[in-house]
Amino acid sequence: AQSVAQPEDQVNVAEGNPLTVKCTYSVSGNPYLFWYVQYPNRGLQFLLKYITGDNLVKGSYGFEAEFNKSQTSFHLKKPSALVSDSALYFCAVRDFRSGAGSYQLTFGKGTKLSVIP
Amino acid sequence: NAGVTQTPKFQVLKTGQSMTLQCAQDMNHNSMYWYRQDPGMGLRLIYYSASEGTTDKGEVPNGYNVSRLNKREFSLRLESAAPSQTSVYFCASRLAGNGVETQYFGPGTRLLVL
Repeated sequence: AQSVAQPEDQVNVAEGNPLTVKCTYSVSGNPYLFWYVQYPNRGLQFLLKYITGDNLVKGSYGFEAEFNKSQTSFHLKKPSALVSDSALYFCAVRDFRSGAGSYQLTFGKGTKLSVIP
Repeated sequence: NAGVTQTPKFQVLKTGQSMTLQCAQDMNHNSMYWYRQDPGMGLRLIYYSASEGTTDKGEVPNGYNVSRLNKREFSLRLESAAPSQTSVYFCASRLAGNGVETQYFGPGTRLLVL
C-alpha cells in the first residue's frame, strides 16, 4: 500500500525565516510526489511535483522541494517565509493501478503553516 | 476557463435526505475524482472516473454513488444522508497523458448533515 506521512500537524515560523514542511512516503515502485496548498475556505492548489530528474524541484510562489530517495522524503522548503504563506499544506504520492487507466493520489493529513509577523 | 466548478457551495441536510453534488470541468480532462476532507484526516478518495463511461471505487465509497454524465461532468449522490457524511467535498480533474500528472481541484462543497 502507498502512504504518505506528514509528521508535524503545525509548523510556526517567523516572517523572513526559512521554512520546511516535512513529508515522507512509502511506495512499491518509483514515486511521483506532489505538494498542494489550501488557503482557508478554498480548494487545493498545485504547488510542485517530482516525476523524475533533478532532486530539487522548484514550484510556485518561491517554494521548492527536495526529493531524497534514500530517506524516502520530499520536504517542502522556502528560503524566506511570508505571512501570506500561512495555509494548510498537503503532500501526496501517486498510487498507480495498472490496468485501471488512471491513478489515485494518496494524501498526507496536512500540515498547518503559520508565519508570524 | 473556469477550471473545475462545484455546486452547491454549502448545503444542510437532515438525516435520511438525498442530494446530488455537481462537478464540471472545462479543461477537456479525461479523469475526474471525488474526495472528502475531514479534520486531521487529509483528503480521502470516494470515487473516481478514469474516462467518460467508467467509474471506480476509492478508499471510502460506502454511502455514495457517482455518475460520469459526459466528459465534463461528474456527480456525487448521497441517497440517504448520515451525520458521518458531514464533510467538505472536493472534485478534481486530470488530463491523462505522458508526464501530465497534476490534479486540479474545485472550490469544494460544505455539507452538514443534522
